[in-house]
Amino acid sequence: RKEVEQDPGPFNVPEGATVAFNCTYSNSASQSFFWYRQDCRKEPKLLMSVYSSGNEDGRFTAQLNRASQYISLLIRDSKLSDSATYLCVVRNSGYSTLTFGKGTMLLVSP
Amino acid sequence: EAQVTQNPRYLITVTGKKLTVTCSQNMNHEYMSWYRQDPGLGLRQIYYSMNVEVTDKGDVPEGYKVSRKEKRNFPLILESPSPNQTSLYFCASSSRGSGSTDTQYFGPGTRLTVL
Repeated sequence: RKEVEQDPGPFNVPEGATVAFNCTYSNSASQSFFWYRQDCRKEPKLLMSVYSSGNEDGRFTAQLNRASQYISLLIRDSKLSDSATYLCVVRNSGYSTLTFGKGTMLLVSP
Repeated sequence: EAQVTQNPRYLITVTGKKLTVTCSQNMNHEYMSWYRQDPGLGLRQIYYSMNVEVTDKGDVPEGYKVSRKEKRNFPLILESPSPNQTSLYFCASSSRGSGSTDTQYFGPGTRLTVL
């Protein structure tokens, strides 16, 4: 079983749609969770950290279910500028070694 | 401006010709790391460094070397590049935090082609 698995995508949605990304991780000892965004051929950038209680940042909501080892990202009112690949990222222990999912591509069309 | 820089950004080389990709950060971060990104495989860690003179292998270290003589620099060395090392390479750095405060910052990437 892969360490971090994501929906393969791509997701094609119209502007204004709500889209949800799912991610599962295999290591129950995982400590920290993140969503990164990567534009085509650019570096990944942190979108948001994911907290156990769930957290929201504007149109973006992240949820974590430790019992199910499941992470989600919800984007409301999609914009054209949201088109990118979304990476689910997990840190398993100690310092900063991160494990990345393969990413899910989102394409928002007019 | 806080940033991670990599050089070169693009490189085409031939099999066996030693090369170095430089990485530098100006945020006084202890932790630095190298990743490669390939279609269908995602980002995979090559090497990482917890601090000066402390380095360790990631998931795909074969064919690569690193050094960490100064805190700000973490060069990636390919002693004898081969075509299977053609990839997009990212350097990253972060502070030695724990929990969700430990944001990892990435450089702009180096696209390497080995013929």
